[in-house]
Amino acid sequence: DVKVTQSSRYLVKRTGEKVFLECVQDMDHENMFWYRQDPGLGLRLIYFSYDVKMKEKGDIPEGYSVSREKKERFSLILESASTNQTSMYLCASSFRSSGLFYEQYFGPGTRLTVT
Amino acid sequence: AQSVAQPEDQVNVAEGNPLTVKCTYSVSGNPYLFWYVQYPNRGLQFLLKYITGDNLVKGSYGFEAEFNKSQTSFHLKKPSALVSDSALYFCAVSRRADSNYQLIWGAGTKLIIKP
Repeated sequence: DVKVTQSSRYLVKRTGEKVFLECVQDMDHENMFWYRQDPGLGLRLIYFSYDVKMKEKGDIPEGYSVSREKKERFSLILESASTNQTSMYLCASSFRSSGLFYEQYFGPGTRLTVT
Repeated sequence: AQSVAQPEDQVNVAEGNPLTVKCTYSVSGNPYLFWYVQYPNRGLQFLLKYITGDNLVKGSYGFEAEFNKSQTSFHLKKPSALVSDSALYFCAVSRRADSNYQLIWGAGTKLIIKP
């Protein structure tokens, strides 16, 4: 079974703090994704990585950065947390093959509250 | 603009009745189509996908989905609903082939199965 784990299920941070969300997958997937999930908006892609040290901006990258130093680990960084970043954050991973879309496997999510 | 629509925020079905959760899309070319389910307090799980071939795709937990190219729809169906099917369902569609495997997500449909 594919397993994607996220460092925290619940997190409460103060405005202005630097926040690190960690994601680890154990299936040797090339692709890793960070989404945020808000009611009525579905999933919105923050950043995507297709290889170690490679990253691409998604639809809403402002206020976020990412790091992928090892294939199995993908970190999301909130440089200076703001209240509008209160949300559920989901990490996902998938295989990568030219021209093919493999299903993504998701972690349990981190519910972040910024006060 | 590319988009995925799930026109119903919520669908209510009596246990034992058939269910349908609707999805339409506007994406160029021949996209891949996916359904995911999110049970309360859990991450998203892959249900099924359409790549090519038979328009009726079977997936996990007795679900199936019907692809209709002329109507650009990919509706999720189940012949007999269970209370345990109550969850949040997401439709997702692949972006263009040059988009590095990113998906476009619908806003989600809450499915409530009443005993």
